[in-house]
Amino acid sequence: DTGVSQDPRHKITKRGQNVTFRCDPISEHNRLYWYRQTLGQGPEFLTYFQNEAQLEKSRLLSDRFSAERPKGSFSTLEIQRTEQGDSAMYLCASSQVGELFFGEGSRLTVL
Amino acid sequence: LAKTTQPISMDSYEGQEVNITCSHNNIATNDYITWYQQFPSQGPRFIIQGYKTKVTNEVASLFIPADRKSSTLSLPRVSLSDTAVYYCLVGGQTGANNLFFGTGTRLTVIP
Repeated sequence: DTGVSQDPRHKITKRGQNVTFRCDPISEHNRLYWYRQTLGQGPEFLTYFQNEAQLEKSRLLSDRFSAERPKGSFSTLEIQRTEQGDSAMYLCASSQVGELFFGEGSRLTVL
Repeated sequence: LAKTTQPISMDSYEGQEVNITCSHNNIATNDYITWYQQFPSQGPRFIIQGYKTKVTNEVASLFIPADRKSSTLSLPRVSLSDTAVYYCLVGGQTGANNLFFGTGTRLTVIP
């Protein structure tokens, strides 16, 4: 257990539905990251927060994706109008300086 | 953004030393080299980080030549539980915002 928790661990949804994932980072970490990972590939960077400010977004993060980190604590990643191509593991990580601490991930399956 | 090249897969017998080399020809002056380990259905886990020469911790050693265009992760006396995917990343120590994981090296330890 790294101290980063993600919820839910698994989500099955139908195409076109909205889904939201939550990440609770290690409490003293001011940096929070979201990654997406598909089978056989390494994690792909989606977005990064320092405290409550979203400082960077990947071009992978289409306008159907939105992430927030109110008050610089937990973060949510919402996917609107899900598509089958959104099926993946969504990983959250936090850090203070140096190494990233990853959660167990939230696996999304879009039918 | 410095990218990395690693072998796709490696096999090793239990008890042997395993060396995984990573190429990063475009590494920047302020980039650090970090290795992560990932088991199936889990988030990546930090193994070791270094800037130059040699770094050793309780699980691995990291060798970095003077030109820093490559690095080698050394795992002494591997066991079956070391079967995992190993990722080499380069980026700033204080939170490279968009760390690039690549596809990693799938290490299989054989009894």
